[in-house]
Amino acid sequence: EIVLTQSPGTLSLSPGERATLSCRASRSLTPNYLAWYQQRPGQAPRLLIYDASLRATGIPDRFSGSGSGTDFTLTISRLEPEDFAVYYCQQYSTSLYSFGQGTKLEIK
Amino acid sequence: QVQLVQSGSELKKPGASVKVSCRASGYSFTTYGVNWLRQAPGQGLEWLGWITTDTGNPTYAQDLTGRFVFSLDTSVSTAYLQINSLRAEDTAVYYCGREGYSYKAVDYWGQGTLVTVSS
Repeated sequence: EIVLTQSPGTLSLSPGERATLSCRASRSLTPNYLAWYQQRPGQAPRLLIYDASLRATGIPDRFSGSGSGTDFTLTISRLEPEDFAVYYCQQYSTSLYSFGQGTKLEIK
Repeated sequence: QVQLVQSGSELKKPGASVKVSCRASGYSFTTYGVNWLRQAPGQGLEWLGWITTDTGNPTYAQDLTGRFVFSLDTSVSTAYLQINSLRAEDTAVYYCGREGYSYKAVDYWGQGTLVTVSS
């Protein structure tokens, strides 16, 4: 099973700042089948990025994904108030998928 | 529009069974696989597995002990998750989710079903 480790656990930033979230895999993802989800309190998760760098339908272009192999990044270029939430990465590169433990993005 | 509507909250005693349903609408049910996931209170997401909706072939996460069963009724575009021999640690919100057309990430989610296991 591939283990995903997200960092940092909590990120404190202000609206308008740039956020960089990391997801590291215990072994290389081939292909780069990695997704990023946003989860607000009391809501189901929402798909942001799939296949490491492709934005899902309706996702603003301030969200971008990058990376390959074992190191992946979600970048939010300019934080809006609604972006403060928990973010999860997920790999679906093997037949058994797995999630990272999450990064909480909080208002500073 | 694509919708996944799950059954309501359940309160069960340890050792009992529960069956959660996930009714799909707005698309061809047998074209997209269905994932099952859960989230314990205050915790992260856990992937439980998925089921192909054309053949009904399930794949279960490595950690599951055989108490979890995925099934389908394609005549009503519904996927089911049954959990047997419930334990307190099964208390969680259970989600179903549809995979994407050309990718396996979950692009549409059900609203979640809270299953509480308590004596």
